[in-house]
Amino acid sequence: DTEVTQTPKHLVMGMTNKKSLKCEQHMGHRAMYWYKQKAKKPPELMFVYSYEKLSINESVPSRFSPECPNSSLLNLHLHALQPEDSALYLCASSHIAGGGYNEQFFGPGTRLTVL
Amino acid sequence: EDQVTQSPEALRLQEGESSSLNCSYTVSGLRGLFWYRQDPGKGPEFLFTLYSAGEEKEKERLKATLTKKESFLHITAPKPEDSATYLCAVLANAGGTSYGKLTFGQGTILTVHP
Repeated sequence: DTEVTQTPKHLVMGMTNKKSLKCEQHMGHRAMYWYKQKAKKPPELMFVYSYEKLSINESVPSRFSPECPNSSLLNLHLHALQPEDSALYLCASSHIAGGGYNEQFFGPGTRLTVL
Repeated sequence: EDQVTQSPEALRLQEGESSSLNCSYTVSGLRGLFWYRQDPGKGPEFLFTLYSAGEEKEKERLKATLTKKESFLHITAPKPEDSATYLCAVLANAGGTSYGKLTFGQGTILTVHP
C-alpha cells in the first residue's frame, strides 16, 4: 500500500482563523514532507521531518507551524495566513530522508483558499 | 546550485503518436532521479526512480532512461488517458547528505488527442 492520506480535501479560511492540515501514512516510512504548490508550478518544499524530528525548514514564515506527533502522522498548523498563501498543500513520505530508495509518495493534497 | 530543466513545456500528440520528454540536470552528486505524473488538482503520482547512467525502467507505455546529464521519458503509442503534467525531480548530495530535498523541473504538460 503506497497511500498517503490528507484531510481536509478543501479548506477555506479567513486571515484571522486557526486551522490545521493533517497527513497520515502507514507504510512504515520515517521521513515526511510538506510541500506547497501554486498553479502551473512544481511543488515547493516547506518542511522535512526525519524520525519525527524537523530536519529541514525552507525559511517558511512562522504562520505555518509543522508538527509530527508520531511516525505516521504529520500536521501543519495555520494561523494568520495571507491570501497569497492560497495553494495546494501536499504531504509526502519516503522510507528515509536522503538515502537510497528515497521515492517520495504524495498524498492527494489540501486545496487551501485564504480570504 | 542544483538545476533541473524540462522540455518541452507543453506537448500535444495524436493518439498513437510516440514521443519523448526531456529532463536535463546539473547537480553536485546525483543520488536519484524521479519521474512523477500529476493530474490537475491532484498530488504527483510516482512513476520511476533512476540511480545511475545507463539505467532504464519501463511501465506500460512509458520508458525512462538516464545519462550523466539528462533523462528521457519515452511514451509509446500514447492514449488520451496519458494526458497529464510529467514532473522530473532530482535528489542530490549537499555537503555529504541530501536530507531528502528534491529539486523539481517545471514540468511538461502532455495532451493526447483521440
